[in-house]
Amino acid sequence: NAGVMQNPRHLVRRRGQEARLRCSPMKGHSHVYWYRQLPEEGLKFMVYLQKENIIDESGMPKERFSAEFPKEGPSILRIQQVVRGDSAAYFCASSPRRDSNTEAFFGQGTRLTVV
Amino acid sequence: GEDVEQSLFLSVREGDSSVINCTYTDSSSTYLYWYKQEPGAGLQLLTYIFSNMDMKQDQRLTVLLNKKDKHLSLRIADTQTGDSAIYFCAESISGGSQGNLIFGKGTKLSVKP
Repeated sequence: NAGVMQNPRHLVRRRGQEARLRCSPMKGHSHVYWYRQLPEEGLKFMVYLQKENIIDESGMPKERFSAEFPKEGPSILRIQQVVRGDSAAYFCASSPRRDSNTEAFFGQGTRLTVV
Repeated sequence: GEDVEQSLFLSVREGDSSVINCTYTDSSSTYLYWYKQEPGAGLQLLTYIFSNMDMKQDQRLTVLLNKKDKHLSLRIADTQTGDSAIYFCAESISGGSQGNLIFGKGTKLSVKP
């Protein structure tokens, strides 16, 4: 059973371009969470999705950021018109259900660098 | 609002015990967690403790929870060079799953041979 897979591992974008980050949850997991880790910081919650639904996007910036988790395929975090401040590591976690007894497994992250 | 505080650095000698401390603010947190992050890697869940427990031991790891003071600690016995990493404390926010967590900034543990 493969773990949470994120790709690409490293992504370089020029200012103004779009970044698309992918997350394939563990098999059987239908809940996905995205976190951002700025340099020298802890992880900050961005968004929680179930298949085809956004459940909690309280941590998402109001503009340029969007997330989806379609019925088929990976979850996508999309950042439009990237700026230098978007440079960070973006982590995805997945869990099979939403309850406090469930462990969420983290992927290895995508490190976005905006030049 | 919710906040989790940790000291940023800890340096110990190989074979000594390491104690990493954390304070949190959400008194209704049901679970508290310790994660390990090695350079360039994702987060690995080390252990967690339910809020109605005072202590949990798992091999070399001991977690102590003082709910009154909202203080959590992680003790690593017989620290090895392979334990060098950043350790994150995290709390689950009210009504959230384990995936919706508030993280501290991390404590960088350096183990000297």
